[in-house]
Amino acid sequence: KAGVTQTPRYLIKTRGQQVTLSCSPISGHRSVSWYQQTPGQGLQFLFEYFSETQRNKGNFPGRFSGRQFSNSRSEMNVSTLELGDSALYLCASMGETDTQYFGPGTRLTVL
Amino acid sequence: QKEVEQNSGPLSVPEGAIASLNCTYSDRVSQSFFWYRQYSGKSPELIMSIYSNGDKEDGRFTAQLNKASQYVSLLIRDSQPSDSATYLCAVNGNSGYALNFGKGTSLLVTP
Repeated sequence: KAGVTQTPRYLIKTRGQQVTLSCSPISGHRSVSWYQQTPGQGLQFLFEYFSETQRNKGNFPGRFSGRQFSNSRSEMNVSTLELGDSALYLCASMGETDTQYFGPGTRLTVL
Repeated sequence: QKEVEQNSGPLSVPEGAIASLNCTYSDRVSQSFFWYRQYSGKSPELIMSIYSNGDKEDGRFTAQLNKASQYVSLLIRDSQPSDSATYLCAVNGNSGYALNFGKGTSLLVTP
C-alpha cells in the first residue's frame, strides 16, 4: 500500500497570508489527524477528522481549520499567518486500529 | 494538562550496547502507548505500540509498560549507528485519538 502523502512538501509565505496544506491517507484509512511540530513545543495535536467530521480538536486558535473529503483526503488551512506558525505540519493516517502513520510533512516557513 | 515526559538527552551508547529510553505520563486513563523514531529532517516512523502491562518484543526492540507507575520504556538491543535518531513517546488517552507526545530523547550510537 502506498503511504501517507502530503503536498506541498515546502512552503514559504509572508505574515498575514493564508495557506492550505493537503494530505492523502493510506488507502482504506478513514481517519486523518494533523499535528504541528516545532523545536520549542514538540509535536502538538491540531485536529482529527473521520468520515468528513471533525472528531477531536486540539488547543489551537481558530485560524487553524481543516476539512475532510468523501475520499478521506484532508486539507488544513491556516489564515492570517504569524511568524510563530513556522513549523513542520504532519498528517497522520489511522485505520481500524488506533495506530497512526505519519506522512512526510509540509515544512512551512513564514517570513 | 496531560503531560508526557522524556529525558531530552542526548543519550550516547556504544555500538552493540543496549539503549534504554524512558517515558512517564500523567494521564492515568491512558490506554495506548507508542514509540516513534524520527531522523533529522524526517517525519516520525512507528517502531512499536503497547497496550498491556509487561514487555513486548519486536526484533531488537522491547517496549515495557507499567501502568501503575505510569511509565513506558523502550530498549534497543545491539544498538547500531543507524539507530541514532530522536525517539518520541506518544500516549493516547481517553479523549479520542489525539496523541500526546513527549519532546523526544536524542539517541547517539557511536561506532
